[in-house]
Amino acid sequence: EAGVTQFPSHSVIEKGQTVTLRCDPISGHDNLYWYRRVMGKEIKFLLHFVKESKQDESGMPNNRFLAERTGGTYSTLKVQPAELEDSGVYFCASSQAGLAGIRYFGPGTRLTVT
Amino acid sequence: SQQGEEDPQALSIQEGENATMNCSYKTSINNLQWYRQNSGRGLVHLILIRSNEREKHSGRLRVTLDTSKKSSSLLITASRAADTASYFCATVLLYSGAGSYQLTFGKGTKLSVIP
Repeated sequence: EAGVTQFPSHSVIEKGQTVTLRCDPISGHDNLYWYRRVMGKEIKFLLHFVKESKQDESGMPNNRFLAERTGGTYSTLKVQPAELEDSGVYFCASSQAGLAGIRYFGPGTRLTVT
Repeated sequence: SQQGEEDPQALSIQEGENATMNCSYKTSINNLQWYRQNSGRGLVHLILIRSNEREKHSGRLRVTLDTSKKSSSLLITASRAADTASYFCATVLLYSGAGSYQLTFGKGTKLSVIP
């Protein structure tokens, strides 16, 4: 079974540019999550999809971040325009219902905004 | 607000020794999970302990949970160089009737096992 995949693995962009991150969850997992870790700090929740619907987007920092999951399969997270403080590692995770919250994480996308 | 907080932030031990990492949290939980992250990789689920459990074992891992003190510990026995990684605790709360669980992570403990 393929795990959660993320693309790209690393992105370096200038302040003001746009970046789109992609996540492909484990097949059959309805739940998809985005998390972010800024260097040295805790892993913070961004949002949660159930199929194509946003269940909880309380962790999204501001309206420069837009997440989509059209068709309930893969998801994208767009940052536009990027700011320096957006730098960090963005993790995607997926899960099945009824497994007490166990998440399966992707390898992350390291975003560097210069 | 930050929930799980691991202690120590960094730990360096010799291969064969035991490693103990602690996690403190602030609110009620349904369960608590420990994850490992190897450099450049995603987090991998290690073990889950429910709020009504006090201790759980999985191979060389032993997890304890004290809900009265709102703390948990992860013990790795007979450590190996391959255990070198960051370890995170995640407190888990059921937050909706649809069975959705909210995970809150700490900053992690960076474990280095020296061969």
